[in-house]
This record gives sequence, C-alpha cells and structure tokens, in this order.
Amino acid sequence: GPKVLQIPSHQIIDMGQMVTLNCDPVSNHLYFYWYKQILGQQMEFLVNFYNGKVMEKSKLFKDQFSVERPDGSYFTLKIQPTALEDSAVYFCASSLLGGRAETLYFGSGTRLTVL
Amino acid sequence: QQKVQQSPESLSVPEGGMASFNCTSSDRNFQYFWWYRQHSGEGPKALMSIFSDGDKKEGRFTAHLNKASLHVSLHIRDSQPSDSALYFCAASEPSDNSKLIWGLGTSLVVNP
Repeated sequence: GPKVLQIPSHQIIDMGQMVTLNCDPVSNHLYFYWYKQILGQQMEFLVNFYNGKVMEKSKLFKDQFSVERPDGSYFTLKIQPTALEDSAVYFCASSLLGGRAETLYFGSGTRLTVL
Repeated sequence: QQKVQQSPESLSVPEGGMASFNCTSSDRNFQYFWWYRQHSGEGPKALMSIFSDGDKKEGRFTAHLNKASLHVSLHIRDSQPSDSALYFCAASEPSDNSKLIWGLGTSLVVNP
C-alpha cells in the first residue's frame, strides 16, 4: 500500500534546542498532517497543510511549531525552542484529498525525547 | 471529557475466535467513523471506514454504526495472531479538512 516515510525514527535533544522532523508523503497526495501521540494518551491532531498553507491547527500547535513543504522536498515539522512536554511520538500522515471521508496514510512516527 | 471513548481497554482472544471492539462518541457532530490498527513500532493503518447506519463487511472485519446512539463497533472473526495490535476508533468532525478525533485504543492479543 501507499507509504509515508518519516526521518529520523528517534531523536534525542536538549530542551531549548531546535528540532526538525521530516516526512516524505505519498507521492500524489495533496494534504499533509501532523499528529502527536504521548504514551498512554490519545493521538491528537496538530495541524493540516494544503497547497503550501496551514489549513487548520489545534491548540497543541504552539507558536514554537511551524510546518512547511518546499517544492519537491520533505514536509517538515519544526519545533524551536523545544520544551520537555514536546516529548512524544509525532506521526506524519497524508491523504489524496481533504475532507472527512478521506483515508489518511500514516508514517511509522518519530519518537522525540527532550531532555 | 474525551469525545471518542473506546472499550474494552484490552482484549485477549484465542486464535480463530471473535474479537469485538466498541466505540462511542459524545458529540453528535461526529458522523464519520474510522477504525485504525497500529502494530508495535508502526504507524496507524486504516482498516475500515463507516459513514452510514448498519453493517459494513470487508473480509474478516465487520463494522456496525448506529448514528442515533453514536455507537460504532468492530468485529474480527477468525482472529489470527497477526491481528494482535492496538485498535483505534477515530471520528471526523464536520470539516472540509480531514481532522480525526481519536479514542485511547483497545489492545488485542490473539493467543495461538
């Protein structure tokens, strides 16, 4: 099936540093997403992105967060500066189109540990 | 209060048995439901979607939706050890942008 690749699979950084999480979405997909999963808690929506713009973001998407996808490159989530509560697994997803009936395809996640 | 609630938290069934999962929404706006499965170390993978009242069957998997009670269920017949995973119910808000609201998941172990 369609594959979403996430790089790296693990990242350990010190609090206050910047981190960039990379995602290679399914090639013909147009909508991209980031979700956050903390162990023992529900998966939570962070942001969705289409045509170079953030379409919707949640209250978890703090001012320190940003997303972009320069042409032909990764869809990225940047956190600057990082905080201890940013430790989580971050999942990237993509879908062909937007809308609530669309299937989202997820990557395997990046486990971020902020020390 | 969580808008999507799942039960049970964990489930153990013998190989060849039936596994059943439940999900309830507290928000009547959530009319589109998904079941995702997540194996250890992987991302969630969509199993089934259900948007209309009644049953939807795909192979060994059957989903049931009752919009009046906002209850959705998933049943796996002839369970296999490879079905051992976390099963998530997720609901879509009425939005042009796909935004899933997730339950906490049910952990399934299928014993050989």
